[in-house]
Amino acid sequence: DFVMTQSPDSLTVSLGERATINCKSSQSVLSTSDNRNYLAWFQQKPGQPPKLLIFWASTREPGVPDRISGSGSGTDFTLTISSLQAEDVAVYYCQQYYGAPITFGGGTKVEIK
Amino acid sequence: EVQLVESGGGLVQPGGSLRLSCAASGITLSRDWMTWVRQAPGKGLEWVANIKEDGSGKSYVDSVKGRFTISRDNAKKTVFLQMNSLRVEDTAVYYCGSGSGWHFDLWGRGTLVTVSS
Repeated sequence: DFVMTQSPDSLTVSLGERATINCKSSQSVLSTSDNRNYLAWFQQKPGQPPKLLIFWASTREPGVPDRISGSGSGTDFTLTISSLQAEDVAVYYCQQYYGAPITFGGGTKVEIK
Repeated sequence: EVQLVESGGGLVQPGGSLRLSCAASGITLSRDWMTWVRQAPGKGLEWVANIKEDGSGKSYVDSVKGRFTISRDNAKKTVFLQMNSLRVEDTAVYYCGSGSGWHFDLWGRGTLVTVSS
């Protein structure tokens, strides 16, 4: 199984500052057949379902603000919020969908300083 | 309105059964993979099962294999999760999701399953 390890577990950032979340996979999620990384990022606010932010490691879901971006390849990935806003307070999860079982990282809680 | 609505959750004793439903509206369900993901109280997300657009392919997390069955009725735009031999550790909010691939972009609000004596 793919083990997804996120860091840090929690992050406190001032409004307008950068937030960076890391995700490491125990195996590569880069497909050699289509050269795509099978890695997604989700945002979850209290009492709400997960919301897809990023797929293919760096493709933003329509409607997601461009201050949120994804990068990385193979086993190491990053979600960056370039200028943290109040509405970004949430828990963020990475997820690999390269193969079953689909697996999520443990989550990173982002709060305002 | 495009939405998924889960139902069927509730309180059940260990060893019991429940059948969850996920009704879709505003989308052509037959084009999408469907998934169930769960979240135990205060915990992270855990994938449970997937089903292919036409129902021909299914996969499960090891902890539910042999106990849970995912199915779909595209004509009724509904996906099901039959849960048997329920355990205390199956207690969670169960979310259904849909997507053109395995990166699921539409989610329901979830239904709570509580397994307790």
